[in-house]
Amino acid sequence: AQSVTQLGSHVSVSEGALVLLRCNYSSSVPPYLFWYVQYPNQGLQLLLKYTSAATLVKGINGFEAEFKKSETSFHLTKPSAHMSDAAEYFCAVSRATGRRALTFGSGTRLQVQP
Amino acid sequence: DTEVTQTPKHLVMGMTNKKSLKCEQHMGHRAMYWYKQKAKKPPELMFVYSYEKLSINESVPSRFSPECPNSSLLNLHLHALQPEDSALYLCASRGLSGSSYNEQFFGPGTRLTVL
Repeated sequence: AQSVTQLGSHVSVSEGALVLLRCNYSSSVPPYLFWYVQYPNQGLQLLLKYTSAATLVKGINGFEAEFKKSETSFHLTKPSAHMSDAAEYFCAVSRATGRRALTFGSGTRLQVQP
Repeated sequence: DTEVTQTPKHLVMGMTNKKSLKCEQHMGHRAMYWYKQKAKKPPELMFVYSYEKLSINESVPSRFSPECPNSSLLNLHLHALQPEDSALYLCASRGLSGSSYNEQFFGPGTRLTVL
């Protein structure tokens, strides 16, 4: 079975500050890992994905994440927060084979203070 | 076109009604998914279709009935729902080859309210 744990249901940062959203995974097989963003009353948009290529993954809107097998982590970072980054962020895991259904973490709501 | 569309955007129905949710994609994807998202919760998988055949049913009650009439369309038929079924229903699709092989594209969702 696979699962992801997101530490911190709410994170608040100032505009221009570093964004760090934490995600740890549990998987008996090499996982594929994803970060999605969800704005209010909208669907999910893929920010970035790890599929066993480079461990440092760059995504859209200036976000990046690093896959660390030794720490079973896939934390999301952005050097400088923007007001438009305020949203719900979900870390998700899937198998590298089969139907690839996603299992999501509980989510982290990011607030950006002016 | 990298878009997954869902209709309607909002749906209010009584417990005795029959309604359907529709999802459409024109990316040539052959895997399609239904997820249910309750308020302030993550999405949870309901069904997976692969090559228009149901491949995963996550023990969803029979009042939810999925249908994949062709490779571009995915429906979710609703009948005799309960108020606790009120949620955002998300559709996603994934390519089974090429660059989108490992990526699910999500639609905007249908916000369902059961009275």
